[in-house]
Amino acid sequence: KQEVTQIPAALSVPEGENLVLNCSFTDSAIYNLQWFRQDPGKGLTSLLLIQSSQREQTSGRLNASLDKSSGRSTLYIAASQPGDSATYLCALRSGGSNYKLTFGKGTLLTVNP
Amino acid sequence: GAGVSQSPRYKVAKRGQDVALRCDPISGHVSLFWYQQALGQGPEFLTYFQNEAQLDKSGLPSDRFFAERPEGSVSTLKIQRTQQEDSAVYLCASSLGRALNTEAFFGQGTRLTVV
Repeated sequence: KQEVTQIPAALSVPEGENLVLNCSFTDSAIYNLQWFRQDPGKGLTSLLLIQSSQREQTSGRLNASLDKSSGRSTLYIAASQPGDSATYLCALRSGGSNYKLTFGKGTLLTVNP
Repeated sequence: GAGVSQSPRYKVAKRGQDVALRCDPISGHVSLFWYQQALGQGPEFLTYFQNEAQLDKSGLPSDRFFAERPEGSVSTLKIQRTQQEDSAVYLCASSLGRALNTEAFFGQGTRLTVV
C-alpha cells in the first residue's frame, strides 16, 4: 500500500527566505505527483503536476522536483511571502487504482512579515 | 461555472439525521471524485465516477454512505443516519480526462459537523 509522508509537519520562516518542502513515498511505481495548497477552511488549489517521465515542473516562484528512484519529491518556494502561508499537500497516483490520489498529511507553512 | 462548486459549504446535523452534499464539477469533466478530510489529515479517497458510472466505491466507510452521478455531471454524496465520526470536510474533485494523466481540480468542500 502506498504511503506518503511529508516532513516537516510545520515550518515557520521569515519573509524573503527560500524554502523546501519534502514529500516521500514508499512505492516508486507512480504515474504522477501533484502539489496542492490549502488555505484554512478552504478547498485545495493545484500548484504543479509532475508526470512520472518528468524530473521537475516550474510555475513562477515554485519549483517541484521528482526522483522516483529515491521515492522523493520536493517543492521549492523562492523568496517566500506572507501570502504563501498555507498547508501544502503532496498527492500521487500509483498502483492499480491509477485514478485515485493518495495524500500526505501536509506541511503547514507560516511566512512571517 | 469556472471551478468545482460544492454546496452547502457548512452543514450541522444531529446524530441520526440524513444529509446530502452536492458537487457541480467543471463543465465537460469526465472524472469526478469524492474525498473525506478529517481535521489535521490529508484527504482520503471515497469514490470515483467516470461520467455516470461509479467505477470505484471502495473508500466509502460504511453502507450509510452513498454517492450518485445520474447524468454524468452533478454528483450527490448522501450519508444516512449520521454519526459523530462522520464529522469531516468532504471534498469533490473533477478532471477532464480519465484521471490518470490529467490534473485534478478541487472544490471548496463541505464541512460537516455531527452533534
